[in-house]
Order: sequence, then C-alpha cells, then structure tokens
Amino acid sequence: RKEVEQDPGPFNVPEGATVAFNCTYSNSASQSFFWYRQDCRKEPKLLMSVYSSGNEDGRFTAQLNRASQYISLLIRDSKLSDSATYLCVVFTGGGNKLTFGTGTQLKVEL
Amino acid sequence: ETGVTQSPTHLIKTRGQQVTLRCSSQSGHNTVSWYQQALGQGPQFIFQYYREEENGRGNFPPRFSGLQFPNYSSELNVNALELDDSALYLCASSTGTPEAFFGQGTRLTVV
Repeated sequence: RKEVEQDPGPFNVPEGATVAFNCTYSNSASQSFFWYRQDCRKEPKLLMSVYSSGNEDGRFTAQLNRASQYISLLIRDSKLSDSATYLCVVFTGGGNKLTFGTGTQLKVEL
Repeated sequence: ETGVTQSPTHLIKTRGQQVTLRCSSQSGHNTVSWYQQALGQGPQFIFQYYREEENGRGNFPPRFSGLQFPNYSSELNVNALELDDSALYLCASSTGTPEAFFGQGTRLTVV
C-alpha cells in the first residue's frame, strides 16, 4: 500500500465549478500535512498547510481527519489558472521526510 | 520565487557516468532536502542535510550521495548512472520546519 494515495484524475471541470480532491495516508504517526501545486514541468509550490480544524485561503479549503487518515482540498469557483497537478503531502518526523502522493491532475475548461 | 536555485537546469548523461547537481538554499535556511520525481509520479525523498550532516535518507542506493557546505548550499552526486535515474531532481530548503520550498529542478536524462 502506498504511504499517500490520491486519485490521479484528470478532473476536467468547467470554469466556476467546485471541485474536491481527496487523499489518504497510511502512517498514523504522521505529523504535518500539506497541499502543493505543481504546474507542468515546474517545481511543486506550497499551496496550504492542512489542520484538523480546517483552514481556508480564499477559494481553497483544506481539511484533515486524523481518525480516518484522510485529507481533502476543496476549490470553489474554479479558474482556468487553477489547472495544475495537486499533490497531497505528509510529513513524518522520523526520517524528516515529506512523502508525496502521485498527484491529482485538474483541468479547468471554458 | 522561493530563492532556491538549482544548476544545471537540464543535463544529458550516458549510462555509467557520474553526475553532480547543485542547489543554493534560500537565505536563512539551514536544511536542504533532495527529491527525485519520475514522470507521472510524485517526488520521492532521497535525503536531507542539516548543518552539513545527513539527517534522514529515503530508499535510494549508496550511489546517491550528497554534501552540504557551510553556507548551506548542497550537492547531489549520482554514480554509475542508470537509465531509470532519468527524472526531475528537486532541491528543497527549509529552516527545519516541515514547510519546504523547492528550486526549479534539474531535469536529468540518461541515455
């Protein structure tokens, strides 16, 4: 079983749509959680951290459920510029490593 | 921009050769991590350096080695290159917190 699992997509949605991505992780000792965004052939960029209380940054809302080992990202009012791959990322203190999912590809269309 | 710079941006090597990739961390960041990203996959952790010492390693063979210098810049060395080493190599710097900021990467092609 992969440490971090995501649906690879692609998710093709019209502009203005709301889209949700989900991710599960296997290591219950994981300490911190993130969503990164990666444009084609570019480096990953931190989109937002994810907390159990949920957090929101403009059109983006992230949620963590530690009991279910589940992370989500909701994008409201999708823009063409949101087209990218969204990477679910988990930090585990032992080894000091970030573990990435394979990413979910989003394509926002006119 | 993150302030993390990597060189070179692209590189073509022959199987069996050795390669050195370089990374300058963001100002004030003392921790550098290296990741390998194969096509269609998420980045895979290679190792991390903190204050010039290796501070964690992923499932990569010993032919992947690294260094960190007193100014916190870093090198990734790969010996005896294999075709499967073709990937985007990413350097990330941080202050030791989990949030990491990536350089633009070095795209290595092994032929």
